[in-house]
Amino acid sequence: SQELEQSPQSLIVQEGKNLTINCTSSKTLYGLYWYKQKYGEGLIFLMMLQKGGEEKSHEKITAKLDEKKQQSSLHITASQPSHAGIYLCGATPRQAGTALIFGKGTTLSVSS
Amino acid sequence: GAGVSQSPSNKVTEKGKDVELRCDPISGHTALYWYRQSLGQGLEFLIYFQGNSAPDKSGLPSDRFSAERTGGSVSTLTIQRTQQEDSAVYLCASSIPTSGSYIQYFGAGTRLSVL
Repeated sequence: SQELEQSPQSLIVQEGKNLTINCTSSKTLYGLYWYKQKYGEGLIFLMMLQKGGEEKSHEKITAKLDEKKQQSSLHITASQPSHAGIYLCGATPRQAGTALIFGKGTTLSVSS
Repeated sequence: GAGVSQSPSNKVTEKGKDVELRCDPISGHTALYWYRQSLGQGLEFLIYFQGNSAPDKSGLPSDRFSAERTGGSVSTLTIQRTQQEDSAVYLCASSIPTSGSYIQYFGAGTRLSVL
């Protein structure tokens, strides 16, 4: 069955440092979604990638999808305490509109 | 509404009791999804609605779980004869196709504790 592997599982960085979170699938993906979750809250949509080689940025967060559409990375530049939380990648293994499968998440802590 | 609304936000019940969880999607969103998030298991898909029909129920863990959606809007997830392993956060999401993509927007979830 389709699985998404996220790495690292957890990460502690000093405020102002850059960091990267990876998400890998064994199969080609139709769409790759990045979400952020804070304790006790739902998932907040960050970015969606659909095309091989695609890259999107929002504020200090950049997400990329590789050419084969099997691996994505989320890069945060100059991290801030507000970036702390759990980052989840989700993907549609079949046609768009169906349920997402998710990685187990990466817990990010930012120390000031 | 402005976002996906779920109620109750917390539910504590005794083993063997039935519970109902409610999801009010974003107005106009045709697709609605239920997921379950538990420690060590991550986020698991339960059921997906397109309008009032459920083309994919493959994630429901047992026949104690059922869901319905009426009027293409509100959905209710029912768990009968709850067990301790049902304790989890139940998340609802809704979406609508936009330029070929289906971004799912999530509610804050219902935290279910079965004692």
